[in-house]
Amino acid sequence: SQKIEQNSEALNIQEGKTATLTCNYTNYSPAYLQWYRQDPGRGPVFLLLIRENEKEKRKERLKVTFDTTLKQSLFHITASQPADSATYLCALGGENTGFQKLVFGTGTRLLVSP
Amino acid sequence: AAGVIQSPRHLIKEKRETATLKCYPIPRHDTVYWYQQGPGQDPQFLISFYEKMQSDKGSIPDRFSAQQFSDYHSELNMSSLELGDSALYFCASSLGGDYSISGGRGYNEQFFGPGTRLTVL
Repeated sequence: SQKIEQNSEALNIQEGKTATLTCNYTNYSPAYLQWYRQDPGRGPVFLLLIRENEKEKRKERLKVTFDTTLKQSLFHITASQPADSATYLCALGGENTGFQKLVFGTGTRLLVSP
Repeated sequence: AAGVIQSPRHLIKEKRETATLKCYPIPRHDTVYWYQQGPGQDPQFLISFYEKMQSDKGSIPDRFSAQQFSDYHSELNMSSLELGDSALYFCASSLGGDYSISGGRGYNEQFFGPGTRLTVL
């Protein structure tokens, strides 16, 4: 069956460290993968999109990798800050997921302590 | 920068009532998506529209219907509401990207609205 898995337990790190979040998927062949940030009761905020033919994407303190062989994406936040505390969702898109819809992972809650 | 607008932000209804949620996409975005997010759950895709035509359909109950209008705003109509319909409903918009029409692969960054919190009593 198709599945997208993210760390179900919260990730606790200290300010200034690098946070690494994992997104693993099975039985999908996504054309692209997106990462979102979501705060409680708010809408997901788009962070980064990476295509199937791209290995790595960066934006300021954020870095995403995409390994279609391992069926895995890693999301890194360098020099983390307490304001980065939120739930981070990965979402797959492309023909295999059904045209336009995004299929979301379960999300990982990140807690950055001062 | 303009974002996706949703109204109302909060809605309380009784069982078996109807509800209409509205979504105004980012200017020039022609594609609208609806997602439902239950408590502690990830967003689940309901339905999408590209250029006013339904482009994809997910786990949307038959009691729900939606459409996209000529100004690209969209409405989600929900009838015979049930307790289990209580959730956050998000609308997202993007620019272009209908695979079947373009014949290619669209890489559509989806931008989400703030959501409508629907409570069914």
